Amino acid sequence: ETGVTQSPTHLIKTRGQQVTLRCSSQSGHNTVSWYQQALGQGPQFIFQYYREEENGRGNFPPRFSGLQFPNYSSELNVNALELDDSALYLCASSLAGRATEAFFGQGTRLTVV
Amino acid sequence: GQQVMQIPQYQHVQEGEDFTTYCNSSTTLSNIQWYKQRPGGHPVFLIQLVKSGEVKKQKRLTFQFGEAKKNSSLHITATQTTDVGTYFCAPRGNDMRFGAGTRLTVKP
Repeated sequence: ETGVTQSPTHLIKTRGQQVTLRCSSQSGHNTVSWYQQALGQGPQFIFQYYREEENGRGNFPPRFSGLQFPNYSSELNVNALELDDSALYLCASSLAGRATEAFFGQGTRLTVV
Repeated sequence: GQQVMQIPQYQHVQEGEDFTTYCNSSTTLSNIQWYKQRPGGHPVFLIQLVKSGEVKKQKRLTFQFGEAKKNSSLHITATQTTDVGTYFCAPRGNDMRFGAGTRLTVKP
């Protein structure tokens, strides 16, 4: 196990609703990244948080937002859900820097109906 | 973040055959990481390459970083059913952006 936990594991939401996904980082890791992985695709980078600040963002609209807390846990919020938001959402924790590996959680499977 | 292209997208092999996946960038990379994702699982770190021309081995897996640091490869010798999964490369910068991956299936 990686020590990175995500909740919930599965979630079904209706189009237009809002959702919050949670991630607890591995102990000592100060950086959290969020990814969206559609079925059969590679993980797409949503954004990264370092010391409670957004530290990089991929090509996702503003209705995707996040938070990182002082204990380095993190939330991903998605507003106005669309059918295409259905995917596996992965968080990865790491230490800041270019030479560190990322540890992934098991993911949250979000289905929008 | 830097983007990479992976080929092939899919590879189906008979158990015991070799397998290679390639990762290509149009720009010079400072490093490259490789991850494996089993069906239904999450990406798991395999290795990081940093130096030009670097070659690293993990049992039946051989990882290479090109001399120009624009490409990388993963070669698996004598595949086993446990090798099934999708293999991703990702440049490790301030953020990390994955290639589309190569999905490997192995027929027993």
